Amino acid sequence: DIQMTQSPSTLSASVGDRVTITCRASQSIDYKLAWYQRKPGKAPNLLIYDASNLETGVTSRFSGSGFGTEFTLTISSLQPDDFATYYCQQYYTYPWTFGHGTKVDTK
Amino acid sequence: EVQLVESGGGLVQPGGSLRLSCAASGFTFSNYWMHWVRQVPGKGPVCVSRISGDGSSTNYAGSVKGRCTISRDNAKNTLYLQMNSLRVEDTGVYYCVRRHQVGGFFDDWGQGTLVTVSS
Repeated sequence: DIQMTQSPSTLSASVGDRVTITCRASQSIDYKLAWYQRKPGKAPNLLIYDASNLETGVTSRFSGSGFGTEFTLTISSLQPDDFATYYCQQYYTYPWTFGHGTKVDTK
Repeated sequence: EVQLVESGGGLVQPGGSLRLSCAASGFTFSNYWMHWVRQVPGKGPVCVSRISGDGSSTNYAGSVKGRCTISRDNAKNTLYLQMNSLRVEDTGVYYCVRRHQVGGFFDDWGQGTLVTVSS
């Protein structure tokens, strides 16, 4: 199975900060990567697909980049609603695999 | 509005069986690949199994292959996961998840049903 490694596991930030989360794949996955946001008690919400495409209805504060094995999710200016856990997911080869998550909390 | 409602979870002893169900509504169920995804607190989600829209194609994670069977009834808009020979490591919340029509990512998740395997 393809291993997805996210870093950091926890990120402490303030409202207005620029936040970057990294996801590394154990082998090339081309552009087949998605990012999700998850809040306690709620289902994950798709933010980005195909590494850099913003899902309809998702704020443009979120952006994604990368190809191959290195990917990033960036929040341009952190807002109160953005404190959550973020997961990357590869869909290059089944079983699709997720990172362990990055929790963004208040500094 | 898309709705995915799981049921069938519970406490079971190692070696036991459970059948999970997922009632789908708000979309044309037979047009979508459907997945079961498991998550335990503090860890990332894990894909368990998937099934094509017409039910003709299925795949399983290595950890459950031979012990689990995914199926669907498109007339009833319902997805199933039969889980046998359950192990402690099968414990987690099981989510019914809809795959996006054109990509391999997920665009809708249920609220999950908790499976606890313990003696």
